Amino acid sequence: AQRVTQPEKLLSVFKGAPVELKCNYSYSGSPELFWYVQYSRQRLQLLLRHISRESIKGFTADLNKGETSFHLKKPFAQEEDSAMYYCALSDGGGSYIPTFGRGTSLIVHP
Amino acid sequence: EAGVAQSPRYKIIEKRQSVAFWCNPISGHATLYWYQQILGQGPKLLIQFQNNGVVDDSQLPKDRFSAERLKGVDSTLKIQPAKLEDSAVYLCASSFFAADTQYFGPGTRLTVL
Repeated sequence: AQRVTQPEKLLSVFKGAPVELKCNYSYSGSPELFWYVQYSRQRLQLLLRHISRESIKGFTADLNKGETSFHLKKPFAQEEDSAMYYCALSDGGGSYIPTFGRGTSLIVHP
Repeated sequence: EAGVAQSPRYKIIEKRQSVAFWCNPISGHATLYWYQQILGQGPKLLIQFQNNGVVDDSQLPKDRFSAERLKGVDSTLKIQPAKLEDSAVYLCASSFFAADTQYFGPGTRLTVL
């Protein structure tokens, strides 16, 4: 069974500090990995996906198949980055059934 | 483009009552998802439709939950009878195809007393 683990429930940093939100997954095939974000009073929305290999709002994430990880990173956190972040996996076996992690709340202090 | 619409936004019922949620996906999106999100947890997939067919409903408690997407467009999720542990936010999402980005609705917050 596929599983997504986000070990940190809460991550608190100061503005300008580097941020790394951890995501580990278990899946035997070739997964599609995503990071979704939910800002206060807004809908859950896509932040980035690994196949795009692009940086969104300064965030990047690299798929490490050896470590089965897809950590989200940003070199300098901004106050507007405060939100809930969810890592998600979609199985690449044809059905593309999604599984979400429990989420990490990022708080960026001024 | 218009986003995913859900109604109602809030619902309070007593246990053993029934409730129904409605979702209208983004036009042209073939895949529709229903999630249950309990406070402090991530979204848990209940059912995934591809057009009007079910792709996965392995985590849907079928003794009390049902969902349909008859014409391959909008969808309803029903709970009958509700239990206290069904209190959660029910999210609907849609995507152009199954591997694509999901677009989420605002959710329905259900409280079962």
